[in-house]
Amino acid sequence: LAKTTQPISMDSYEGQEVNITCSHNNIATNDYITWYQQFPSQGPRFIIQGYKTKVTNEVASLFIPADRKSSTLSLPRVSLSDTAVYYCLVGDRMGYGGATNKLIFGTGTLLAVQP
Amino acid sequence: EAGVAQSPRYKIIEKRQSVAFWCNPISGHATLYWYQQILGQGPKLLIQFQNNGVVDDSQLPKDRFSAERLKGVDSTLKIQPAKLEDSAVYLCASSGGLETQYFGPGTRLLVL
Repeated sequence: LAKTTQPISMDSYEGQEVNITCSHNNIATNDYITWYQQFPSQGPRFIIQGYKTKVTNEVASLFIPADRKSSTLSLPRVSLSDTAVYYCLVGDRMGYGGATNKLIFGTGTLLAVQP
Repeated sequence: EAGVAQSPRYKIIEKRQSVAFWCNPISGHATLYWYQQILGQGPKLLIQFQNNGVVDDSQLPKDRFSAERLKGVDSTLKIQPAKLEDSAVYLCASSGGLETQYFGPGTRLLVL
């Protein structure tokens, strides 16, 4: 399973756009890129998932370049409530080769949003 | 739709005691996961069930940890005997297949 590297922490202010980049140099052909958000005293919560190019949902966008060796989570106009740890994960979502959707979490990026 | 339920939310025990955690996944989800999250780290998968069968327990310390999902629905995770380093949050997650995992609130364990 591919290992991911992301910044330990980031600071931002309310209303700004935040981009968190994740490096996954050894990503495999069948791997998808998934981002989770975790607030204190809660379990991680799914944010977005993608395979290539750009994916957008109601809370975030995910940009994946052609070589797929990195990805960027973009949070538009953050608020104080977006302060959380953000995890980038790669894994074989489709189950090829007997994969089991195993998620390997790193230490994540602690995003601190200030007023 | 009800989420993943876990109990208890908090547990304090002394080392060498036993403890058990309970998880009720989202209705219809065949896959259930137990994770251990130590303070400051990301969650680490302990065991994965597909219905009532174990798919992956490679990181479960089997000398002291055990888990079961007898009827393919609820699951229990047990630690016997507990060590100081077992202090962590134990998260249960479920999924309907090879897709998004939904996590419960976790059980915070403190071993004294």
